[in-house]
Amino acid sequence: GENVEQHPSTLSVQEGDSAVIKCTYSDSASNYFPWYKQELGKRPQLIIDIRSNVGEKKDQRIAVTLNKTAKHFSLHITETQPEDSAVYFCAATPNFGNEKLTFGTGTRLTIIP
Amino acid sequence: DAMVIQNPRYQVTQFGKPVTLSCSQTLNHNVMYWYQQKSSQAPKLLFHYYDKDFNNEADTPDNFQSRRPNTSFCFLDIRSPGLGDAAMYLCATSRDLRGYTDTQYFGPGTRLTVL
Repeated sequence: GENVEQHPSTLSVQEGDSAVIKCTYSDSASNYFPWYKQELGKRPQLIIDIRSNVGEKKDQRIAVTLNKTAKHFSLHITETQPEDSAVYFCAATPNFGNEKLTFGTGTRLTIIP
Repeated sequence: DAMVIQNPRYQVTQFGKPVTLSCSQTLNHNVMYWYQQKSSQAPKLLFHYYDKDFNNEADTPDNFQSRRPNTSFCFLDIRSPGLGDAAMYLCATSRDLRGYTDTQYFGPGTRLTVL
């Protein structure tokens, strides 16, 4: 089955700086890679996702890059703000029906004002 | 405009007393999932329904059961809760078209306390 590793487990950055979270996966059949943000006591919310037919996707201050050859993908947050503080989870799944998401172990991001 | 609704948001039960958690969705998604999430950990999939087909994870204890009476509703039954079952239980839904995996949308969760 799929195995997803996520690093770092905790990350503190100064407000305004960039944050990068990295994930690696094991199953070469994986084809869909979402990122979820979870604030304390709240639901995981999808912030961005990427499919294997693209190498990079951007949405305002958030971007995700994918390297299928190396089996890794990364989340980039630029111009960080205090409201970016949360736990971020990456996930991976093969792109065919009835397959579950495999989550990374999470990164606790703290933005220092 | 809530899309995935969970009730109750907080549930307190006694050790060994059965409890049922509820999830409903307005998205008409054909797949529904139940996750258990403990503090500082990733959500752990317990089982999911693909339409009416039930898919149990190999390491999900028998103590956990699920029902999906129709497309919109799904229930998680914990037959004899133990202290280790105290957690946040998350319901999620997705549209899966057998060949295309779509995004999972999570409900707000039910926080279960076992006394």
